[in-house]
Amino acid sequence: SAVISQKPSRDICQRGTSLTIQCQVDSQVTMMFWYRQQPGQSLTLIATANQGSEATYESGFVIDKFPISRPNLTFSTLTVSNMSPEDSSIYLCSVQRDSNQPQHFGDGTRLSIL
Amino acid sequence: GDSVTQMEGPVTLSEEAFLTINCTYTATGYPSLFWYVQYPGEGLQLLLKATKADDKGSNKGFEATYRKETTSFHLEKGSVQVSDSAVYFCALTPRSYTGANSKLTFGKGITLSVRP
Repeated sequence: SAVISQKPSRDICQRGTSLTIQCQVDSQVTMMFWYRQQPGQSLTLIATANQGSEATYESGFVIDKFPISRPNLTFSTLTVSNMSPEDSSIYLCSVQRDSNQPQHFGDGTRLSIL
Repeated sequence: GDSVTQMEGPVTLSEEAFLTINCTYTATGYPSLFWYVQYPGEGLQLLLKATKADDKGSNKGFEATYRKETTSFHLEKGSVQVSDSAVYFCALTPRSYTGANSKLTFGKGITLSVRP
C-alpha cells in the first residue's frame, strides 16, 4: 500500500490561531480524504480533497473553518482555522489509489488547543 | 443513511483467549465491509475487508465473514496476543468504489485490551 506521511504529528496551539496539516503520498492516488477523530470517538469525514478544484465538504463542515488544498495527485493540506478547544482532535488523511482499492490512512495529527 | 453498529466495549481478555467483536450494518445494496485497527498512538490500519456476500476477509489470524442475511461482519480471532491490544473499527462503503461513493462510514470502535 501507499506510504502516507502526515505533518505535524502533533501540536499544541493557542485559541484563535490556525494550523495547516500536510499529507504527502509516495505515489499518485485518485482520492484523498480528511477525517476528524474527536477524543474517544469514531472517525468523521470532513471532506474529499479534489485535485485542481474545491473540496467536497460533508454536512457540518465548511470551507471557511477547514480550507483544503490539493494541488496534485500526491499532496493535500487541511487548515484548521480560528481554533477553539472544541477543535482538539486527531486529524487523519486517507488515500485511495484507484476506484477498486480500499482507503489507507496516515498516522494522524494530534491537535490540542489551549 | 448508511450506519455501522458495534458492540459496546471495552473488552478485556487474557492472552490466548478467543475473540469475537460484533458488527452489524445498515446500508442499501451491497456495501463493501472493512475492519480497521488503531494501535496506541498510531493512525488506522486496514486489517481486512470483504466486498460481497459470503466473502471471508482474513489477516494476522483475524477473520470476518460478510453475512448479508444477518447484515453482519463479526471479527474473530482464535487466540489473541498482548500485541493485539488496540481499538477496532468496523466500517463500510457503498457498493461502488467510485469517487462519488467512497465515503467510509465507521462504527464507534471498541477497545480491546489483552493481558498476559
